[in-house]
Amino acid sequence: EVQLVESGGGLVQPGGSLKLSCAASGFTFSGSGMHWVRQASGEGLEWVGRIRSKVNTYATEYAASVKGRFTISRDDSKNTAYLQMNSLRTEDTAVYYCATGRDYGDYVVAFWGQGTLVTVSS
Amino acid sequence: SYELTQPPSVSVSPGQTASITCSGDKLSNKYACWYQQKPGQSPVLVIYQDTKRPSGIPERFSGSNSGNTATLTISGTQAMDEADYYCQAWDSSTGVFGGGTKLTVL
Repeated sequence: EVQLVESGGGLVQPGGSLKLSCAASGFTFSGSGMHWVRQASGEGLEWVGRIRSKVNTYATEYAASVKGRFTISRDDSKNTAYLQMNSLRTEDTAVYYCATGRDYGDYVVAFWGQGTLVTVSS
Repeated sequence: SYELTQPPSVSVSPGQTASITCSGDKLSNKYACWYQQKPGQSPVLVIYQDTKRPSGIPERFSGSNSGNTATLTISGTQAMDEADYYCQAWDSSTGVFGGGTKLTVL
């Protein structure tokens, strides 16, 4: 069974930084792309970015709204993906979900974690 | 930037067919996915690659994609299908979600 557990959320001031983690189990993590998707309270889903697997050169892509501020990385030895968020803005306040396509491929966000709340406020 | 447009709300009577649309420029040239999200829960994939159902998703869920519109169809809608539904596609390796549709079963 696929399990994705996010951690690291919390309260941070505007301009600050935060690093989220996503611990994965139940599938071949090293062969799977990993996504981050966020959802502000009462709002819709927003794709944040993706990191592909080693065979795809760990390529990363980002939404325009976070490009240059957020960085996605992974540690295949720990079955963990990360989202480093810098220069945070109040509009980055949201629940952040980690997700994977597993064997559905990198273009299907098939399995989701429970999310972690990030609040950017002074 | 690429945009996907969904109606904010759709209502359906129990047992009837619900159709939720998702519009985008030349959307049929891309694969569409659909996600169901119930209050307080994480999204669940219900359709991928336009028409395919993941394991465990009931047969009453189906999808199509033609021209500029992808459609999620729920046949014999049940009360448990009441949820928010989001379409999603890829544009130049960037993921894009529609704004979501609240399905009410009444």
